[in-house]
Amino acid sequence: KNQVEQSPQSLIILEGKNCTLQCNYTVSPFSNLRWYKQDTGRGPVSLTIMTFSENTKSNGRYTATLDADTKQSSLHITASQLSDSASYICVVSAASGAGSYQLTFGKGTKLSVIP
Amino acid sequence: AAGVIQSPRHLIKEKRETATLKCYPIPRHDTVYWYQQGPGQDPQFLISFYEKMQSDKGSIPDRFSAQQFSDYHSELNMSSLELGDSALYFCASTLRTGRRSGNTIYFGEGSWLTVV
Repeated sequence: KNQVEQSPQSLIILEGKNCTLQCNYTVSPFSNLRWYKQDTGRGPVSLTIMTFSENTKSNGRYTATLDADTKQSSLHITASQLSDSASYICVVSAASGAGSYQLTFGKGTKLSVIP
Repeated sequence: AAGVIQSPRHLIKEKRETATLKCYPIPRHDTVYWYQQGPGQDPQFLISFYEKMQSDKGSIPDRFSAQQFSDYHSELNMSSLELGDSALYFCASTLRTGRRSGNTIYFGEGSWLTVV
């Protein structure tokens, strides 16, 4: 069964500090891994998308890494801002045949940035 | 830029009633996904459509049905509503044709369904 595990479940950091969120997956056949930011009650917003051959990808203050051998990904947030407070969801895509893809969602890490 | 549009944003229904949620994907996107997210839960995949045909089916109850129309918008029909159906229902869209992987999936803001 495809699974995505995220850690920590929740995190509180001071404004301006850095943090790293983890995502471990057992999804096969792996297609790509995405990180989303979800504000409470809102739709997830894409931060990065990484394919098998990519190790690192940045989007502003967000940097995602992918180790396809160990099936681990991390999302590093630099110089956190209050607006970074949200849930960060790791989503792994698996090819399910006939050109279609299944998405497996992690439960997310709830990040709270405090002044 | 146009995003994924969902309507209604909020809906209150009584048990055993019927509800219909609508999703308008980003123009030229050919794939629509429906997800259900309970309070404090991760989104659960319900069903997806590619080029107006059902492509994948997840944990969608038999009381629910969905379809994608000729203009690519999609509707999720829910009947005999139960209290446990109260959730945030997301629609997402992407352009799959011609892409092997790495296609960005865009989510709508969701439709809040409350069953009382």
